Amino acid sequence: NAGVMQNPRHLVRRRGQEARLRCSPMKGHSHVYWYRQLPEEGLKFMVYLQKENIIDESGMPKERFSAEFPKEGPSILRIQQVVRGDSAAYFCASSPPGQGPLKENIQYFGAGTRLSVL
Amino acid sequence: GQNIDQPTEMTATEGAIVQINCTYQTSGFNGLFWYQQHAGEAPTFLSYNVLDGLEEKGRFSSFLSRSKGYSYLLLKELQMKDSASYLCAVRPPSPDYKLSFGAGTTVTVRA
Repeated sequence: NAGVMQNPRHLVRRRGQEARLRCSPMKGHSHVYWYRQLPEEGLKFMVYLQKENIIDESGMPKERFSAEFPKEGPSILRIQQVVRGDSAAYFCASSPPGQGPLKENIQYFGAGTRLSVL
Repeated sequence: GQNIDQPTEMTATEGAIVQINCTYQTSGFNGLFWYQQHAGEAPTFLSYNVLDGLEEKGRFSSFLSRSKGYSYLLLKELQMKDSASYLCAVRPPSPDYKLSFGAGTTVTVRA
């Protein structure tokens, strides 16, 4: 059972370009989460999606950032008109469906995409 | 809001024991997670506590006291491969799933 797959692992963009980050959840997982990690800081929640639905985007900047998780294919985090401050590691996590304090709600992480904006 | 504190760095000798503390002040609580993250790699799940007490898994144990807002991760018989960052994360009450992470504790194991 493959883990959470993210690509690309490294992405270099010039200021003003667009960045597209992809995440394929673990098999059987229908919940996807995106987090951002800046150097010396903890992972910060950005957005939580289920298939074709954005459940919680409270951690995502209102401008330039968008996320989707279509019925078919990977989840995409899209950053338009990138700026130097967007340089960070972006991690995707997935979990199976379910509610309550159950171990099945463990979030499993991908290896991340390291975005560098020149 | 969420406030999660853990030490920035710890150093220990191979074969020794290290205890990483995590204190939290959160608006609601539905479990605490510990993850291990090697440089440039994915955070990997280590342990989950939702009730008070100690959970043991081989060389790693995790403890939780909800009344004190406190947890620790205990690493025994340290090995060089345990050199990594250890992340403490708190989950809010259901149906909210987003995790709030501490900044991580970098553990360096020396020979």
